[in-house]
Amino acid sequence: QVQLQESGPGLVKPSQTLSLTCTVSSGSISSGDYYWNWIRQHPGKGLEWLGFIFSSGRTYYNPSLKSRVAISVDTSKNLFSLKVTSMTAADTAVYYCARGASSWNGGYYFDYWGQGTLVTVSS
Amino acid sequence: DIQMTQSPSSLSASVGARVTITCQASQDIRKNLHWYQQKPGKAPKLLIYDASNLEAGVPSRFSGSGSGTDFNFTISSLQPEDLATYYCQQYDNLPLFTFGPGTKVDMK
Repeated sequence: QVQLQESGPGLVKPSQTLSLTCTVSSGSISSGDYYWNWIRQHPGKGLEWLGFIFSSGRTYYNPSLKSRVAISVDTSKNLFSLKVTSMTAADTAVYYCARGASSWNGGYYFDYWGQGTLVTVSS
Repeated sequence: DIQMTQSPSSLSASVGARVTITCQASQDIRKNLHWYQQKPGKAPKLLIYDASNLEAGVPSRFSGSGSGTDFNFTISSLQPEDLATYYCQQYDNLPLFTFGPGTKVDMK
C-alpha cells in the first residue's frame, strides 16, 4: 500500500521560508487520478488544508494562505514539496502530506497520510 | 465558504456503548462528507467516505449516514481502541477542503 513520508527541518526562524518534502513509496505519484496534498494541524487544534498538486504540476491552494504557499512535484523522484514563506509563530504546526482520492459519486477525500512532522517557528 | 459544525465537541462513554456524532454543513453538500479518526500523536485515518461507505479494512462497528446538510457517524459498540478525535470533512468546488472542529471520544 502507498506510503508517504514527510521530511524537513523541525525548527524555522521567523520570517524564513519553510521547505518540506513528501516522498511517496509503494506507488507511483504519476499513476491514477490522485492529487497530492499538504494539511497542517496547529497544536491541540483542528485540521487545515493548505493545497494540492496533480502529477502534471497543476496546483490549487487554500485562499487563506495562497500568497504564501507553493507546492511542486518531482515525478522522477516520486515526491512533492511544500514551501511556506514569511513564517511566523502562528505557522507552528504538525504538517502532513496526504494522497487525495475521488469516488465515482463525486466525493473528494484523503485516503493515505504521512505520519506528520512538527515544525516550530522560533528564533 | 461552506462551514462545518460538529457535535458534541467531546463525549465520554463506556465500553460497549453506542456513540453518535453529528456533522452539519452550512450548505447542501449532497454526500460529499467523509469521516476520519485521529488517535493521539498519529495522523488522521479515513474511516468513512461519501457519507456512508466504509473504507476497506475498517471495522464494521463504524458507520455513517446522511446527505445534504446533516450527517451522522456512529460507533455501534465502543471499544477501548476507539479513544480518538473524530473529524468530518467536506469538499466544495473552489476547490476547498474543510474539516469539522472534531469530537473527542473518551472512555468513561
